[in-house]
Amino acid sequence: GDSVTQMEGPVTLSEEAFLTINCTYTATGYPSLFWYVQYPGEGLQLLLKATKADDKGSNKGFEATYRKETTSFHLEKGSVQVSDSAVYFCALSKGGADGLTFGKGTHLIIQP
Amino acid sequence: DSGVTQTPKHLITATGQRVTLRCSPRSGDLSVYWYQQSLDQGLQFLIQYYNGEERAKGNILERFSAQQFPDLHSELNLSSLELGDSALYFCASSVGPGETYEQYFGPGTRLTVT
Repeated sequence: GDSVTQMEGPVTLSEEAFLTINCTYTATGYPSLFWYVQYPGEGLQLLLKATKADDKGSNKGFEATYRKETTSFHLEKGSVQVSDSAVYFCALSKGGADGLTFGKGTHLIIQP
Repeated sequence: DSGVTQTPKHLITATGQRVTLRCSPRSGDLSVYWYQQSLDQGLQFLIQYYNGEERAKGNILERFSAQQFPDLHSELNLSSLELGDSALYFCASSVGPGETYEQYFGPGTRLTVT
């Protein structure tokens, strides 16, 4: 079946550091790819998405590019802030079975 | 605030009992999804409804069932509860079916089975 693999962390960085969270997927066909963020005690919020190969999703300084050849969708941000501390989930979805398949989540901690 | 509401926020019950979780989607959204988040299984898709009809099933146990009512709110029924059913249950909604529609998540219901 479909699956998503991401580094679980915790990942600890200093403020203004460069962030990369790796995500790779296994799926037949052409899934859409998503990054969701979960702040403590809250539900998930969509951070960005890409629906076809070579698409780049971006939002709030975060970016990820849909790479079909490496089945990857790595999340990057050039300069992180303390307020970016949260759990980040990579996910995929395919037509016909529209639930999201999530990775285990990466706990990101940004220190001042 | 995503516009998706879930009640109750917390629920504590005993093994063998039955509970009902409620979800109201965002105004205008026709599709409702249920997810379970636990420490060992992570986030898992349970079931999806679209405009009152079941559309997709994920890893939902036979002891669990759901429905979507004419006013589009949805309920997830969990019966014969076991300790392992303790988890956060999220509801999400989207405008339509299909993977390109953004899913908006509610704040979740934390279920504790003792």
